[in-house]
Formats: sequence, structure tokens, C-alpha cells
Amino acid sequence: DARVTQTPRHKVTEMGQEVTMRCQPILGHNTVFWYRQTMMQGLELLAYFRNRAPLDDSGMPKDRFSAEMPDATLATLKIQPSEPRDSAVYFCASQTPGSEQYFGPGTRLTVT
Amino acid sequence: AQSVAQPEDQVNVAEGNPLTVKCTYSVSGNPYLFWYVQYPNRGLQFLLKYITGDNLVKGSYGFEAEFNKSQTSFHLKKPSALVSDSALYFCAVRDLNDNFNKFYFGSGTKLNVKP
Repeated sequence: DARVTQTPRHKVTEMGQEVTMRCQPILGHNTVFWYRQTMMQGLELLAYFRNRAPLDDSGMPKDRFSAEMPDATLATLKIQPSEPRDSAVYFCASQTPGSEQYFGPGTRLTVT
Repeated sequence: AQSVAQPEDQVNVAEGNPLTVKCTYSVSGNPYLFWYVQYPNRGLQFLLKYITGDNLVKGSYGFEAEFNKSQTSFHLKKPSALVSDSALYFCAVRDLNDNFNKFYFGSGTKLNVKP
């Protein structure tokens, strides 16, 4: 049963620290999305990639967030420096063109 | 511009009764519509989708959705609700002609099914 995996599942860190979240998309899926979910804002699209190339990262705060796909099996989302307002659940999703998106279990980030 | 509206933050229904979760959409081209469910502390799970064909689409766990082009709606339905259906439900749309496959999600509707 193919699924998207994300690590870590939970992360607690102090303000100012660097946070790296990782995602392994389903094998063969060439489009990868990063979302952030909070009670106040709901589900927000941060960035997405096709064939490892960034297509749109307009939803991401540019000064502290960065997203990359070093290879087809790994997507990363980095926050440096982290702030309390970054506390949220971060989801990765993958798909093949024209299909539905498959979501990972999420990384719950708490910044104190 | 593409967008999705879920007008109800919360829907309450008694177990055994039919349920409806509403969704309306706006796309510049042809719509490709989805419903997802999210249980507590989990990721979103795909329920069903509409591309073309029969306006009534059947999905997982006994859910179905009806596409109505004239009303630009895609309401989620189930004939008999279960307590285990209590969750957060998201409607999503993408433009079929959008080569970037970008999805637009609604704000979510919390479904509460009471015993």
C-alpha cells in the first residue's frame, strides 16, 4: 500500500532554531505539494514541485522558508529561523498528473 | 480565478439520518472536483472525485457527491450517517485545463454525528 511518508511526526523547538521537515512522495509521483494547516488559516498551499522543479512557492514566507527536492524520493521544507507563529501542522502531498493528491500524515511543529 | 466555498463550518446530524455537506466552486475552465476527509491527527484522505460523466459519483465509506453544473455545486452526501463519520471534510477543485495541477481547497466543514 503506497503512501506518502513524513518525518518527523512531531517537532518541538525554540524560537530561532532551524527546522527541517522531510517528505518521501509515493514512488512514481512527479508532483509534490507542501501545505500548512492551522486553526485560524485552515489549509494553505506553501509550495509545489513537478519533476523536482519548483512551480510555485508564492505561498511561502520567502525570508525564512525554503523548499527543495534534492531527488525524486525526497522533498524538504526548511524554516530558518523559526518563530512561534510557524507552529502548525505541515503536510506533504504527491500526485501523478491528473490524479488526486495523496497526503502524508503531517509534521506537527511547535515553536516555543 | 479558481475557488471553493464550504458555507458551513459545522454540520450536526443524528446517527442514521442522511447527511449533506455543501460545496460550491468557481473555475475558469472545466472543473475537476474532489472530496477529502481528515480524522483527528491524520492527513487528508481522498474520498471521491468527479471529472466527467455521471453527475452522481460514489466514493469510499458509502459517501457520494452530486455534481450540479448550473449551480456550480458538488455536495457530499450519505444516506445514513455513522458516528465514525465524524471528521473534517474538505472540498477541492482544480481546472481540468490547468497544466500545473494546482488544487484549491475549501475551508473545511466539521461533521458531528451524534449517537
